[in-house]
Amino acid sequence: DSGVTQTPKHLITATGQRVTLRCSPRSGDLSVYWYQQSLDQGLQFLIQYYNGEERAKGNILERFSAQQFPDLHSELNLSSLELGDSALYFCASSGGAGELFFGEGSRLTVL
Amino acid sequence: GENVEQHPSTLSVQEGDSAVIKCTYSDSASNYFPWYKQELGKGPQLIIDIRSNVGEKKDQRIAVTLNKTAKHFSLHITETQPEDSAVYFCAFKTWGNEKLTFGTGTRLTIIP
Repeated sequence: DSGVTQTPKHLITATGQRVTLRCSPRSGDLSVYWYQQSLDQGLQFLIQYYNGEERAKGNILERFSAQQFPDLHSELNLSSLELGDSALYFCASSGGAGELFFGEGSRLTVL
Repeated sequence: GENVEQHPSTLSVQEGDSAVIKCTYSDSASNYFPWYKQELGKGPQLIIDIRSNVGEKKDQRIAVTLNKTAKHFSLHITETQPEDSAVYFCAFKTWGNEKLTFGTGTRLTIIP
């Protein structure tokens, strides 16, 4: 158990809809990262937050947004969903030493 | 730029034999090189890492070597066991950049 909690574990929705994925980092970790893993693909970096502020941005679509709240949990919002958005979405947290600890992921299926 | 090549993409090894996975990076400012293991239906799990001031690190049956001149690092698993079957990802981080960039993964299968 990495200590990173993600909800929901599975989500099925239709094209055009909007979903929110939630992440609680390890206790004490200030950084939260979001990654996307499509079928048989590697992990693509989406965005990073540090103590509530956006720190780095990767290949995140304009339809996607994220935020980190004062209690350090983070949410990833995916809107106007397309079939190609079906993927595993991982959250990871870090205490600053470099190591990332990943949650179990949220599997999104867009029908 | 930020790029890492990982080879092989699949690897089958007889139980008890050794497995080696190699990654090559391009950015000489890279300074942190972790390896992650991802089992089916789970998130990636950090198994070992190495920093640019060290050439080799070992943890029981797992070792990582770093060749900064050639810009490659390798994961070595000795005395492989069935529970080593998983997808392994290399990754790297560069100075001043907190994100990890991942390789494309190696699916390792241990044959009993």
